[in-house]
Amino acid sequence: QKEVEQDPGPLSVPEGAIVSLNCTYSNSAFQYFMWYRQYSRKGPELLMYTYSSGNKEDGRFTAQVDKSSKYISLFIRDSQPSDSATYLCAMSSHNAGNMLTFGGGTRLMVKP
Amino acid sequence: ETGVTQSPTHLIKTRGQQVTLRCSSQSGHNTVSWYQQALGQGPQFIFQYYREEENGRGNFPPRFSGLQFPNYSSELNVNALELDDSALYLCASSDQIYEQFFGPGTRLTVL
Repeated sequence: QKEVEQDPGPLSVPEGAIVSLNCTYSNSAFQYFMWYRQYSRKGPELLMYTYSSGNKEDGRFTAQVDKSSKYISLFIRDSQPSDSATYLCAMSSHNAGNMLTFGGGTRLMVKP
Repeated sequence: ETGVTQSPTHLIKTRGQQVTLRCSSQSGHNTVSWYQQALGQGPQFIFQYYREEENGRGNFPPRFSGLQFPNYSSELNVNALELDDSALYLCASSDQIYEQFFGPGTRLTVL
């Protein structure tokens, strides 16, 4: 079993829909939770990060962390075709230095 | 502020050869990490350099090695290439755990 699990998709939604992306993890030491967006043949781009539990909002994006369930989510409101990409969750702990453990990524397609 | 750059963009090698990939970190960042991303998978941590010293390594064999230079740029060297080494190699620079900035990657194909 992988440390971080993510549904690979693809997830196909119509433009304007609310998108929910999720990851589960097994390592209770994880304290930092990040979401990256990766367009085809490009490097990952940091979207949001959250420390420990709670919610964080940035424009159309909301990140949620539930440490008791070892479950994190990224919500995208009013999805746009330009949001079509692979979304990667990543996690780290205090004693892991800058090492990130990634999920496998979820491919999202937003249709006009 | 200059972002993370990597060279070359693409590379084709044959099994058994050696390869060197290069990365220039973002201005002001003293930590560089390298990741391997196989097709359709998430990136996997190879190792990390902080102020020219390796200070973290993932589950990769010793034929994966690296360097960091005084200007914080970095190299990834892979010896005795295997077919499974075909992947996108990503470099990330940071000065915080939660704020790592990735370069565009080098796509390595091993034939």
